[in-house]
Parts: sequence; C-alpha cells; structure tokens
Amino acid sequence: AQTVTQSQPEMSVQEAETVTLSCTYDTSENNYYLFWYKQPPSRQMILVIRQEAYKQQNATENRFSVNFQKAAKSFSLKISDSQLGDTAMYFCAFMVNYGGATNKLIFGTGTLLAVQP
Amino acid sequence: DGGITQSPKYLFRKEGQNVTLSCEQNLNHDAMYWYRQDPGQGLRLIYYSQIVNDFQKGDIAEGYSVSREKKESFPLTVTSAQKNPTAFYLCASTKTHSGSYEQYFGPGTRLTVT
Repeated sequence: AQTVTQSQPEMSVQEAETVTLSCTYDTSENNYYLFWYKQPPSRQMILVIRQEAYKQQNATENRFSVNFQKAAKSFSLKISDSQLGDTAMYFCAFMVNYGGATNKLIFGTGTLLAVQP
Repeated sequence: DGGITQSPKYLFRKEGQNVTLSCEQNLNHDAMYWYRQDPGQGLRLIYYSQIVNDFQKGDIAEGYSVSREKKESFPLTVTSAQKNPTAFYLCASTKTHSGSYEQYFGPGTRLTVT
C-alpha cells in the first residue's frame, strides 16, 4: 500500500524568507505523480505544483519549487520570498499512474504554514 | 467560468437522518471523487466514478452512497449508518487520459450532525 508522510504538523516563517516543507512517501510502483496542494482558510484546495516521477528535473512554479529525490522517496516543497497569502495548510499527495483508470490521490496529513509579518 | 460547485456550504442534520450533498461540474471531466477531511487526518477517499453509471468504493465507503446518472453530477448521500458523519466533504474531478491527472476541487460542504 502507498503511504504519504508529512512529519511537520506546523511551521512558521517570516515574510520574505524561504521555507521548506517535507514529504516522504512509500511505494513499490515506478510510474507515479506527486503533488503539493494548498488549502487556505477558505478551505478551497488549490494545486501548487506537480511532479512526474519519470522526470529527473525538479518542477518549479514561480516562487514554489520541489526537491524530488526518487531513490529516497522524498518530495519537499520550497517556498521562496514567503508572502502573507501563503498562509495555509499544505498537503503532499501521491498518485500511481495506471494509464487513466483508477487514478486515486493519497494525501499526507498536512503541514500548517503560518507566514508572519 | 468552468468549475465545480458544491452546495450547501454548511449543512446541519439530526442524527438518524440521511442527507445528500451536491456536487456539479461543468469542466467536461470524466472522473469525479468524494473526499472526507477530518482534523489531523488529511483527505480520505469515499467514492469515485470514472464514467457515468459506474462508481467504486474508496477507502472509507461504509455509511455512504453515491450515484452518477449524469456526467456533470455526482451526489453523495450520508446515511444514518455512518457512525461519525460530522466532517468537511470535498468533491473533485479530473479529465482522464489527459496526461496531467490534476484533480480540481470544489469549495466543500461542512456537515454537522447532532
């Protein structure tokens, strides 16, 4: 069975600083996707960034980047130049690629990030 | 604008009553999902549907039922058999065979059963 672990229940960072959120996962599959979702106080789930396991290059979306270490099964999220609007719960999620069928997301328990002014 | 709508945002019911949560999408997505979110537990999959008139149980399906009569709609019924129904419920959808597999989420429904 696949599992996703986020070992940091809460984190805090000063505005404009950089913060890294940790995520590890366990799977015997080789073809999968990894995601970071953000859930602000509105509780709307928003996709932050996506990584395909077959790609060696780490994904980047503006101030958000990942450090994908496939052998270590690690998928951390780095937020640069933190902004007050980044305050949210962040979920790491994993999906095995079965070619379009039964693509279920497995979520970690989340990290609550507070950006301090 | 395309998106996923869930109604109502807040729902209150008495114990022993069945309640149906609505989920509608106009994204022309094939697959739809229902998740339950509890504090400290992340999101857990209740049911999912890949095509119309077909659906499968997720990890915590007991006490829930769904239907998928239309591509746009995937309502979730929380039955009186669900022992702890108070939670935040999220609906999601995705376009299968698109290559991205990103799931888009609705705004959620907070269900409180007393």
